[in-house]
Amino acid sequence: QSVLTQPPAVSGAPGQRVTISCTGSSSNIGAGYDVHWYQQLPGTAPKLLIYGNNNRPSGVPDRFSGSKSGTSASLAISGLQAEDEADYYCQSFDSSLSGSVFGGGTKLTVL
Amino acid sequence: QVQLQQWGAGLLKPSETLSLTCAVNGGSFSGYYWSWIRQPPGKGLEWIGEIHHSGGTKYNPSLKSRVTISVDTSKNQFSLKLRSVTAADTAVYYCANFGYCGGDCPQTSPYNWFDPWGQGTLVTVSS
Repeated sequence: QSVLTQPPAVSGAPGQRVTISCTGSSSNIGAGYDVHWYQQLPGTAPKLLIYGNNNRPSGVPDRFSGSKSGTSASLAISGLQAEDEADYYCQSFDSSLSGSVFGGGTKLTVL
Repeated sequence: QVQLQQWGAGLLKPSETLSLTCAVNGGSFSGYYWSWIRQPPGKGLEWIGEIHHSGGTKYNPSLKSRVTISVDTSKNQFSLKLRSVTAADTAVYYCANFGYCGGDCPQTSPYNWFDPWGQGTLVTVSS
C-alpha cells in the first residue's frame, strides 16, 4: 500500500494526450512538499522526468509536463509516442515518515 | 556528469546480510546526499534511506532496525547493509544521488529528488 496513490494503468493512441494522477494527503503533497516524477523503461533504472512539480531536466521533451494542486499532482504527456510506453512513478516527502515516499506506479500503454 | 556504478552479492540465504556498494564517478561527492531505493519484482519503488557525505543518515522506519548506510569519502563510495534478510527483501536495489546540501545539513531533505540512479542490482534471497 503506497503512501501516494496512482492509477495502475493508463493508455492512449499515438499523438493523444494522457494524464497520470498522484494523490497524497496532508502529510505529504497537501503539506506543500514538491512532487517529482520518474520514467522507468522496461528493464532499466528509473529516470528523472519532472522535478519540483513542473520542471523538466535538460533533455526531457516538452511533451512532458507536471502540475500540482492541493493534495494531488499530475503528469501530462502530449503527442504520445511508442517510446513513451513505460512505468511512471511520483515521489514526494512525507512528514509522518520523515522521508521520501513513492506512488505505486502507473503503466502507460501506447495503443 | 555524475555516474553511479553499483555492485554486490546477488544471491543470499535467509538470515544473511545484504551488502551493496555504489561508486560515484565523474562528479563531486562532497556536499551531497546518497540514497538507496529498492523495487521488488513486478512492484513499485520503496525508499530505504540516505546518507549525507558528512555522515548523517536517515532510514525508512520500516527497515531502520536492520539497515546501515555508510560512506567512504576517500573512495567516493557509499554502501548499504541490510541484516537478517528474508524472501521479502528480494528486490532490485538502486543507489541514487539525492541532491546537495552545504553547511549545516539535516538528516534528509524534504525538497530533493533522486537523480541520477545506478544501474540496479538484483538481490535474491532464497534457501
